[in-house]
Amino acid sequence: ETGVTQSPTHLIKTRGQQVTLRCSSQSGHNTVSWYQQALGQGPQFIFQYYREEENGRGNFPPRFSGLQFPNYSSELNVNALELDDSALYLCASSKPSGSALDEQFFGPGTRLTVL
Amino acid sequence: RKEVEQDPGPFNVPEGATVAFNCTYSNSASQSFFWYRQDCRKEPKLLMSVYSSGNEDGRFTAQLNRASQYISLLIRDSKLSDSATYLCVVNMGQYNFNKFYFGSGTKLNVKP
Repeated sequence: ETGVTQSPTHLIKTRGQQVTLRCSSQSGHNTVSWYQQALGQGPQFIFQYYREEENGRGNFPPRFSGLQFPNYSSELNVNALELDDSALYLCASSKPSGSALDEQFFGPGTRLTVL
Repeated sequence: RKEVEQDPGPFNVPEGATVAFNCTYSNSASQSFFWYRQDCRKEPKLLMSVYSSGNEDGRFTAQLNRASQYISLLIRDSKLSDSATYLCVVNMGQYNFNKFYFGSGTKLNVKP
């Protein structure tokens, strides 16, 4: 187990709705990244938070937004859900040491289905 | 063109075989490189980081070729338990601004 937890495990929403996914990082980790993984594809980087500030963003529209809290847990919010948002959402935590080779530890993911 | 490209496979090999995967990346300024392993319906887990000089961990060897912008993973003496999807990951961010790109993964099936 990586010590990274995500909730909920599964979620079903309809088009146009909004969703919030949650992630608790491994103890001592101050960086959280969020990924979207469609079936048969690799994870796609959404964004990363470091000490409560966004620290990197992939090619996702603004309706994907996030937060990181003082305890370094994090939320991913998606507004105006579309059918293509159906995917596994993974969060990963890490503790930057100044090396570019810091390992990321992934949570089990939240499976979102948009109908 | 995708930022990170991998052959999706599947690679079907017998136990004991040697198998190699390659991955190409688009950004020559990329800073760090990794191989992750993902089992079916599970989260990705770090297999190994890839160092400029190449590195080995038991049966696994990773190489980086910056000039040609590719990384490779070699698995020797394949085990049934090596069956999984192998994901190539490249950090194309700069300084402390990270931007991780995953390939779509290469599926490996090791058969008895």
